[in-house]
Amino acid sequence: GAGVSQSPSNKVTEKGKDVELRCDPISGHTALYWYRQSLGQGLEFLIYFQGNSAPDKSGLPSDRFSAERTGGSVSTLTIQRTQQEDSAVYLCASSLSGSKAYEQYFGPGTRLTVT
Amino acid sequence: ILNVEQSPQSLHVQEGDSTNFTCSFPSSNFYALHWYRWETAKSPEALFVMTLNGDEKKKGRISATLNTKEGYSYLYIKGSQPEDSATYLCAFSSGNQFYFGTGTSLTVIP
Repeated sequence: GAGVSQSPSNKVTEKGKDVELRCDPISGHTALYWYRQSLGQGLEFLIYFQGNSAPDKSGLPSDRFSAERTGGSVSTLTIQRTQQEDSAVYLCASSLSGSKAYEQYFGPGTRLTVT
Repeated sequence: ILNVEQSPQSLHVQEGDSTNFTCSFPSSNFYALHWYRWETAKSPEALFVMTLNGDEKKKGRISATLNTKEGYSYLYIKGSQPEDSATYLCAFSSGNQFYFGTGTSLTVIP
């Protein structure tokens, strides 16, 4: 079946502009995660959605970052007033359940470059 | 932020060699330990999820062990093949969050 998809695959933007990154999780997966990997760093947790519960936003690095998940499916990560330090690969993952014993299925990522 | 450390950072082995690498994580508030393989230009792929101290998982030539009391997991690859070349990530889960290590980059030389 279809896996997790993300768009765009690459995004180059000027400092100060807003960007939106999209994630389509696997159908039926109730849990959705956003991560980013900056150069030379490990995957950094950003935000977690589970069903209709309030999202866990504790990993968002600043108030310029926000995310929503509409209808329990597609999610959009928005970065306002982008800075050069926002340059990273942004990965989305979905899981059948919010239980941490379930595997996460990752999308191919969006490579964001802020010039 | 919880610290998950992986070693070595990178590894080059000859085809046919067996190899292993380590993931260290906090031994408190443990829920699960995950291993992923991340090939260049692809998505990370789940290998194993382990939740119990002493767990051992095996998939083909790849296996993993877990020690939650001392906070480490080993990943073993037997008879490495060039297609095993990838970055191997481990992740420790606690609460709602997953904490990833920076990975071990494995290159298998034909």
